[in-house]
Amino acid sequence: NAGVTQTPKFQVLKTGQSMTLQCAQDMNHNSMYWYRQDPGMGLRLIYYSASEGTTDKGEVPNGYNVSRLNKREFSLRLESAAPSQTSVYFCASSLRDRDIQYFGAGTRLSVL
Amino acid sequence: SQQGEEDPQALSIQEGENATMNCSYKTSINNLQWYRQNSGRGLVHLILIRSNEREKHSGRLRVTLDTSKKSSSLLITASRAADTASYFCATGLVGDSNYQLIWGAGTKLIIKP
Repeated sequence: NAGVTQTPKFQVLKTGQSMTLQCAQDMNHNSMYWYRQDPGMGLRLIYYSASEGTTDKGEVPNGYNVSRLNKREFSLRLESAAPSQTSVYFCASSLRDRDIQYFGAGTRLSVL
Repeated sequence: SQQGEEDPQALSIQEGENATMNCSYKTSINNLQWYRQNSGRGLVHLILIRSNEREKHSGRLRVTLDTSKKSSSLLITASRAADTASYFCATGLVGDSNYQLIWGAGTKLIIKP
C-alpha cells in the first residue's frame, strides 16, 4: 500500500534554478494538496486541487505553479527558486474536500 | 490569521502521565481533525470529530469538541515515549467554497522516560 508518494526526498537548488516536485496517490482520491512547513511551524497551503481538472491557490501561492496531470498525480513547480522557498514540502490527498488527509513523506528543499 | 491555535505550544511530561492539548478556532466548522507528526516525517491522521459530535475515542486518545466555545481538546492517556511528536489540529470550514483544512501551529509533546 503505497498511499501518497513524493519525489524527490531531498533537493538542493541554486537561486534561480527551477524544479518540479512530483506527487502521486493510489487511493483514488479526488482532492490533492501541496503544503510547505517551515521549522517549528504548522502547514501552509500552497495550492490545492479539489477534483481532477481544477486547481486553486492556497495561502502562499506566489513563486509556485501546479498541474493536476490526472486523478493520481499533482505536481508542484518552482520556476525560479529563491532562498525563501527553503522548506519542507508535503503533498496530501483526501477522498473529498475537508475529509481526512493522507500525507507523503515530504521533500526537503534547500535553495542556496 | 490562523483558524486553529493549539495550546500549549510545548508540553513535557513523564511517561505514564496524561497529556492534554487544546485547539481553539474562530469560525463555524464542518469538522475538526487531529494529526500527529513525528520528527522529520509526514503527518498522520488521528481522529476526526464532526460539528454535531461532542466526544470521540480511539484507543488511548479522547477528543472533545465544544462548538459554543469554539474549542477542542485532545487527551492522550498513559503516555508512552513513542507519543513524543507534534500534534496539530485542523478545521474543515462550513460552506461550499471552503475546500481546505485550516491548520494550527501545533503542540510539541515530549514524553520523558
